[in-house]
Amino acid sequence: GENVEQHPSTLSVQEGDSAVIKCTYSDSASNYFPWYKQELGKRPQLIIDIRSNVGEKKDQRIAVTLNKTAKHFSLHITETQPEDSAVYFCAATLNNAGNMLTFGGGTRLMVKP
Amino acid sequence: SAVISQKPSRDICQRGTSLTIQCQVDSQVTMMFWYRQQPGQSLTLIATANQGSEATYESGFVIDKFPISRPNLTFSTLTVSNMSPEDSSIYLCSVERGQGASKTQYFGPGTRLLVL
Repeated sequence: GENVEQHPSTLSVQEGDSAVIKCTYSDSASNYFPWYKQELGKRPQLIIDIRSNVGEKKDQRIAVTLNKTAKHFSLHITETQPEDSAVYFCAATLNNAGNMLTFGGGTRLMVKP
Repeated sequence: SAVISQKPSRDICQRGTSLTIQCQVDSQVTMMFWYRQQPGQSLTLIATANQGSEATYESGFVIDKFPISRPNLTFSTLTVSNMSPEDSSIYLCSVERGQGASKTQYFGPGTRLLVL
């Protein structure tokens, strides 16, 4: 089955700096890669996703890149703000198999004002 | 997106007892999923629940411990049976929305379970 590894496990940045979180996956058939943000005591919220027919997707300060050959994808947050502080999870799945997501271990992002 | 509710939002239970968690969605969905999130950890899929068929369990999870019902397309329950302190976790349901290559998964608010 799919295995997703996520790095780093914790990340501390100054407000205004950029943050990058990286994930690798094992199943070359996976074709859907969402990112979730989970604030303390809250549910995971989908913030951006990418499908294997594109290499990059951007939504305001958030972008995701995908390298299918190397089987890794990354989340980029620019101009970080204190409200970006949360745990971020990457996930991977084959999007026609009931969408059973396999999650990475999570990254705790702390943005210092 | 999807409006998903769970009951209870939290509970404290004694070991050896069972708790049934409910998940309600605002519209019909084919696939519903149950995840466990242990303290400070990532999300692990317990099982996939389709209406009209038996739930499909992931490795390490069994029906006797986590029986699931899916009586219709907007509702599912997960029971945590014969609980022990190791079952203390957040239990989340999720649903799949969209069609074909545009399917996306959304989570309920979770049920925080503490077993004493």
